[in-house]
Amino acid sequence: SAVISQKPSRDICQRGTSLTIQCQVDSQVTMMFWYRQQPGQSLTLIATANQGSEATYESGFVIDKFPISRPNLTFSTLTVSNMSPEDSSIYLCSVQPRTLNIQYFGAGTRLSVL
Amino acid sequence: AQSVAQPEDQVNVAEGNPLTVKCTYSVSGNPYLFWYVQYPNRGLQFLLKYITGDNLVKGSYGFEAEFNKSQTSFHLKKPSALVSDSALYFCAVRGPSGSARQLTFGSGTQLTVLP
Repeated sequence: SAVISQKPSRDICQRGTSLTIQCQVDSQVTMMFWYRQQPGQSLTLIATANQGSEATYESGFVIDKFPISRPNLTFSTLTVSNMSPEDSSIYLCSVQPRTLNIQYFGAGTRLSVL
Repeated sequence: AQSVAQPEDQVNVAEGNPLTVKCTYSVSGNPYLFWYVQYPNRGLQFLLKYITGDNLVKGSYGFEAEFNKSQTSFHLKKPSALVSDSALYFCAVRGPSGSARQLTFGSGTQLTVLP
């Protein structure tokens, strides 16, 4: 398995500001993912962040709004830019170790935008 | 495109009774199927997976799931429910290759086990 540390665990932010979420894994992984879970809903993939390449964004998500960094095999950040109340969600980091066909998830960041 | 359906938003069961949480899927090729559980204010925890082999898969906390190819189903089961099993359960699927390897989640089923 993989142990994932995600920071911050929660935050309350003002409209128009930005928040950077950090994801640290206890082992080297190639594939990392960022998901959004809106209140009472399922998970939606924002982007796939593989080390050494640009993040791949899913339909409806753009780099200007959700810039991602992946500087090494154990760390990634997701920034939620120019926030609005509609960005209030849980943001989850996920990894898939190379030798396993399983995605493991961090505890999530609960974001409220006022 | 691949998809997952969890037809029940809410399942209530009495403690000690068997429970079933339903899931059907659609994917090109052989499916990779997963169940995750989410407790309040927690992330998703992996419960079990089916990739190949025996259709009955056993996972964590006494849960099991049965893969049925003809019905394209992967229902989660437990013989005797505990109050502590109360949580939100997600079924997920992905295909074997290419863009189909992206994990697609169902809408989730809230399980409540009544004492």
